[in-house]
Amino acid sequence: EAGVVQSPRYKIIEKKQPVAFWCNPISGHNTLYWYLQNLGQGPELLIRYENEEAVDDSQLPKDRFSAERLKGVDSTLKIQPAELGDSAVYLCASSLTGDTEAFFGQGTRLTVV
Amino acid sequence: KNQVEQSPQSLIILEGKNCTLQCNYTVSPFSNLRWYKQDTGRGPVSLTIMTFSENTKSNGRYTATLDADTKQSSLHITASQLSDSASYICVVSGGSSGGSYIPTFGRGTSLIVHP
Repeated sequence: EAGVVQSPRYKIIEKKQPVAFWCNPISGHNTLYWYLQNLGQGPELLIRYENEEAVDDSQLPKDRFSAERLKGVDSTLKIQPAELGDSAVYLCASSLTGDTEAFFGQGTRLTVV
Repeated sequence: KNQVEQSPQSLIILEGKNCTLQCNYTVSPFSNLRWYKQDTGRGPVSLTIMTFSENTKSNGRYTATLDADTKQSSLHITASQLSDSASYICVVSGGSSGGSYIPTFGRGTSLIVHP
């Protein structure tokens, strides 16, 4: 069975441009997470979904970041406009429920120049 | 505020040697604690999970311990191999948000195994 799939793997954009990341979680997993990971740091939660509902988005910079999970399956994370400080790895993870093991995708490495 | 602190930040050992990584947490209420291994350029992968009643759990050459009273956990790696070079992240699930537990991540310990 395929794991969590993210695309693209790498993205380089100029500052002030928009960018979007896509995540396909493991089939049947109700909980989906988006994390931001800076070099040498642990992942930091941006948003957590239970099915279609965003139940924890307190760490999401809502002035420029947005996310959606239509039909409770795939999810997209968007940044508009991107800033230099947004350069990081964006990880998507999914789990059966909020308390079970989270399985991670390989991440999208964003570089803003 | 829920926090997970890991030490050391980085560690360099010779192949074949043992090492121990530490994790202290303040997450409450506590649900479980996981150790993840993250290879460079990859997403984290779970190594072990420990619940409140478990003190020790092994997964091959990896042995995790948990002291729920002192809120400390350790990950011991025996007979290290070059492939053990990675970041090891302690994740504690607890607290409560939207009716379910949420994971709090440590910053990780970067382990380098030299031949």
